Amino acid sequence: SQTIHQWPATLVQPVGSPLSLECTVEGTSNPNLYWYRQAAGRGLQLLFYSVGIGQISSEVPQNLSASRPQDRQFILSSKKLLLSDSGFYLCAWNRAYEQYFGPGTRLTVT
Amino acid sequence: AQSVAQPEDQVNVAEGNPLTVKCTYSVSGNPYLFWYVQYPNRGLQFLLKYITGDNLVKGSYGFEAEFNKSQTSFHLKKPSALVSDSALYFCAVSLSMIKAAGNKLTFGGGTRVLVKP
Repeated sequence: SQTIHQWPATLVQPVGSPLSLECTVEGTSNPNLYWYRQAAGRGLQLLFYSVGIGQISSEVPQNLSASRPQDRQFILSSKKLLLSDSGFYLCAWNRAYEQYFGPGTRLTVT
Repeated sequence: AQSVAQPEDQVNVAEGNPLTVKCTYSVSGNPYLFWYVQYPNRGLQFLLKYITGDNLVKGSYGFEAEFNKSQTSFHLKKPSALVSDSALYFCAVSLSMIKAAGNKLTFGGGTRVLVKP
């Protein structure tokens, strides 16, 4: 069966510090991968998606970046965090018509 | 461009009563429609989808949704709500299920459901 992992589960970082969130998928190959941000427990904003290794599409201009170094690994990064980067970050993968979500990372920027 | 509207921020219902969560969409083509549920501090869980065929689709946990093309709606329903159905519900739409195109979903703003005992 397929599973998706995200870590860390929670993170508190000061403004201006770097960020690296990791997402890995097991039990499938060549999935589409996605990073979303959810602010204030509400709507989801698609940040990046990837249809293959090294292929990244950005949906929203910001100080975040994404990379896909391996088929089932998706990384979200920032060189310098802003207060507005706080939120709940969700990774997802796509199978057929459905997207499946990871457990999320709660990021608080102080 | 595609968009999804969930007109109610919150829906309150008594346990055992019918539950309806509303969703309308706007796309320039044939839509693929989805419902997801999110419990506190958790990722989203897939409930059901409409791709083609029968307008009434059945999903997990006793939920169903009806695709209405003329009203551009895809309301989520459950005949008898449970306290455990209390959660945040998201409607989503996509125009394409082609992998190379990204299979991107556009989500509505979410509706919080509170089922009271």
